Amino acid sequence: KAGVTQTPRYLIKTRGQQVTLSCSPISGHRSVSWYQQTPGQGLQFLFEYFSETQRNKGNFPGRFSGRQFSNSRSEMNVSTLELGDSALYLCASSGGGLGETQYFGPGTRLLVL
Amino acid sequence: AQTVTQSQPEMSVQEAETVTLSCTYDTSESDYYLFWYKQPPSRQMILVIRQEAYKQQNATENRFSVNFQKAAKSFSLKISDSQLGDAAMYFCAPIYNTDKLIFGTGTRLQVFP
Repeated sequence: KAGVTQTPRYLIKTRGQQVTLSCSPISGHRSVSWYQQTPGQGLQFLFEYFSETQRNKGNFPGRFSGRQFSNSRSEMNVSTLELGDSALYLCASSGGGLGETQYFGPGTRLLVL
Repeated sequence: AQTVTQSQPEMSVQEAETVTLSCTYDTSESDYYLFWYKQPPSRQMILVIRQEAYKQQNATENRFSVNFQKAAKSFSLKISDSQLGDAAMYFCAPIYNTDKLIFGTGTRLQVFP
């Protein structure tokens, strides 16, 4: 099976812009979770989507949003970018059952100037 | 707050030797799942091992094994016969009652020939 894919892999934006990141899960997986990784805050959970519904949400401002499509592909959007949004954004997919292993994509590295 | 503590920011081991990475966590849940992930310089997060808290038997995956002490809330990872390719950041991450991985701060493992 193909693994989790994320596009784009690298992105440079300026403050105030918005950005959309995409994640395609492993075939058959219905859950997609998003995590932000920064040197200062480490790995933090953003949100999880299951069958097109947001099932869990982390402690991030409303500028961070996401959605999931009927084919389980997911996008996350960050509006009004701030310098502090520079990070590696990781998505992970799983079958959606509690405690199932989450398989990660290669990440999207976002740099905000 | 549900915290995860990895008290060793860095560890080093010689090839073919054994090393143990420690992890403690804090939860009032009785059923949960515990994971170790490794993140090599490529930044791809890779599953190392998974443990179900209701199982007393420690999980093993080839050269990787855990010492799970539920009462002490301890979940250490033992790497036997260390190889150069084991060099990476290692993250301990429990899942409690949602599909949200709670990551520790990580331990950087160096492997010397």
